[in-house]
Amino acid sequence: DADVTQTPRNRITKTGKRIMLECSQTKGHDRMYWYRQDPGLGLRLIYYSFDVKDINKGEISDGYSVSRQAQAKFSLSLESAIPNQTALYFCATSVDGTDEQYFGPGTRLTVT
Amino acid sequence: GESVGLHLPTLSVQEGDNSIINCAYSNSASDYFIWYKQESGKGPQFIIDIRSNMDKRQGQRVTVLLNKTVKHLSLQIAATQPGDSAVYFCAESMDTGRRALTFGSGTRLQVQP
Repeated sequence: DADVTQTPRNRITKTGKRIMLECSQTKGHDRMYWYRQDPGLGLRLIYYSFDVKDINKGEISDGYSVSRQAQAKFSLSLESAIPNQTALYFCATSVDGTDEQYFGPGTRLTVT
Repeated sequence: GESVGLHLPTLSVQEGDNSIINCAYSNSASDYFIWYKQESGKGPQFIIDIRSNMDKRQGQRVTVLLNKTVKHLSLQIAATQPGDSAVYFCAESMDTGRRALTFGSGTRLQVQP
């Protein structure tokens, strides 16, 4: 969905490096989410934000942090990347009060 | 713990046949369910959703059935086409608007020409 963009699309980094994944949306949605997807598994929620001042941990937040710089931007950071954080990362948005989420194209992160 | 899962990891069907993808959920408090389609290299795309006060909902070539008694959800695709080949995820949520979605592990649908 071109309304939700993620950068970079692919990244290879080394263990211990700090990495930031960025998400931008033009949908005007208040809510934004970060998920990770591992092979053979569904998406698991890392963090979510209901507005700029409301950030919440998901089921697998350890090792990650987020920043909601503006309504349209939600970034995910790995302060010290480790190999088991190798995964596909998705950003999503939704309208306040609804459940349907709109996903970005994903970022493939490899930690060596 | 509570989980959402799928019965079959891979489903292969002939073009033109109907497809049925199943999903079992264990959280009886869930009141909203949604199906997503994920094509290779892309993010999940919304297909259809259903609330717990319904047992059936139809879209264009797709139907979702909800059986709350056995906590089962299914996605039916009519006249399956090659473009339907993808991984399909079910997801659930409860307390609509206050919790994010919990996803199942996905079923890969392969459409044979």
